Parts: sequence; C-alpha cells; structure tokens
Amino acid sequence: GAVVSQHPSWVICKSGTSVKIECRSLDFQATTMFWYRQFPKQSLMLMATSNEGSKATYEQGVEKDKFLINHASLTLSTLTVTSAHPEDSSFYICSAPDQGETQYFGPGTRLLVL
Amino acid sequence: AQSVTQLDSQVPVFEEAPVELRCNYSSSVSVYLFWYVQYPNQGLQLLLKYLSGSTLVKGINGFEAEFNKSQTSFHLRKPSVHISDTAEYFCAVSAPPDKYIFGTGTRLKVLA
Repeated sequence: GAVVSQHPSWVICKSGTSVKIECRSLDFQATTMFWYRQFPKQSLMLMATSNEGSKATYEQGVEKDKFLINHASLTLSTLTVTSAHPEDSSFYICSAPDQGETQYFGPGTRLLVL
Repeated sequence: AQSVTQLDSQVPVFEEAPVELRCNYSSSVSVYLFWYVQYPNQGLQLLLKYLSGSTLVKGINGFEAEFNKSQTSFHLRKPSVHISDTAEYFCAVSAPPDKYIFGTGTRLKVLA
C-alpha cells in the first residue's frame, strides 16, 4: 500500500520556539493531505486540510496563525507550530489519500514543549 | 453530517478467544467505512475498508468486518486473537467529498 512518512518522530523544544513537522507521501502524489492532533487515549482530531498550491483549510477552533501549513509540492506538506507552548504538546499525525478513498497515515510526531 | 460511535472504550479478551469490536454510524448518504489499528506511539494502519460490493470484508491480520446497512453497523471481528493484537482500534466513516470522521476508539487488551 501507499506509504506516508513524517519527520521528526520526536521533538522536544523550549516554550516560545517554533517547530516544523514534515509529512511526505513516498510512492504517490497527494494534492491533499490532512493534519490531525491526538491527545493521550483519545481519538484523532482533524486540524486542517492541506491543499497543494493553495491555502490550507482549518477546522473550527484551530488557530491558523499558530499552526502554519504549507503544501509546496505533490509529495510534501509541512506543519509549523509557531511560538509553541506546553499546551501544544501532543501527538501530530498526517494522512494522505491515494487516488481512491483510502487515507494512509504517517507514523506520527510526538511534540513535547518544555 | 456523518457520525461514528464506538460504544466499547475497552475490550479485554483472553488469547485465542474470538472478539468483536462494535462500530455504528449515522449518515443520510452512502458512506465508505474503515477500520484502523494504532499501536503505541505509532500512526494508524489500515486494517480493512468497505467501499462497495460484498458486505463481508476481509482485512489484514485475520480481521474481518461486515457492513450492515439496515443496522448502520460495521463491526470488526477476529475468530482467535493474539497477544500482538493488543492495540487501539478506530472505526472511520467518510462520505465523499467529506473528510474522515473517526470514532473514539476501542482499546483491545488481549490477556494471556
């Protein structure tokens, strides 16, 4: 099946710094990618839809200036958490659909803000 | 709008016993249905999916699910579980072009 990678898998940063997370579709092109956030023992919460060549679409309640998304190519989307604070600590997962209706998920990035 | 309900937050079961993880959905239109598994500190792996056709869907790792339109259900089953099946299982629904809607997850704990 299709493979989606994320980098880094773990990141620890100081409060106030910015962190960039990359999501890549390795063997297929994705005009759309999705970014999720998952708190411990909870389900995935969709944050935004990343659209290649255009602006991302954010879900209600998600600060677009806080979570910057760039989808510069058909295989790469990036999520930048700006001025991170401890409450931003979470597990961030991206996904990309193949040409059908199936979403393929990355392995996730665990962010810890101190 | 669509919604997904996974009534069981945790399901303990002994090794080699059968298991069923329940998933019910709500939608006014035709939907696609998915089951994903998540191991600790990892992303989601697709177990199986129903897009159309046969209502009994077979997936990886010996899992299967049956789409029941009248009961709006898509329960996941495995006839004999292993310790390695211990994980979080998520049911998801999509009604294109809408996004995925995930259930709250069911934690399967396989006991020796």
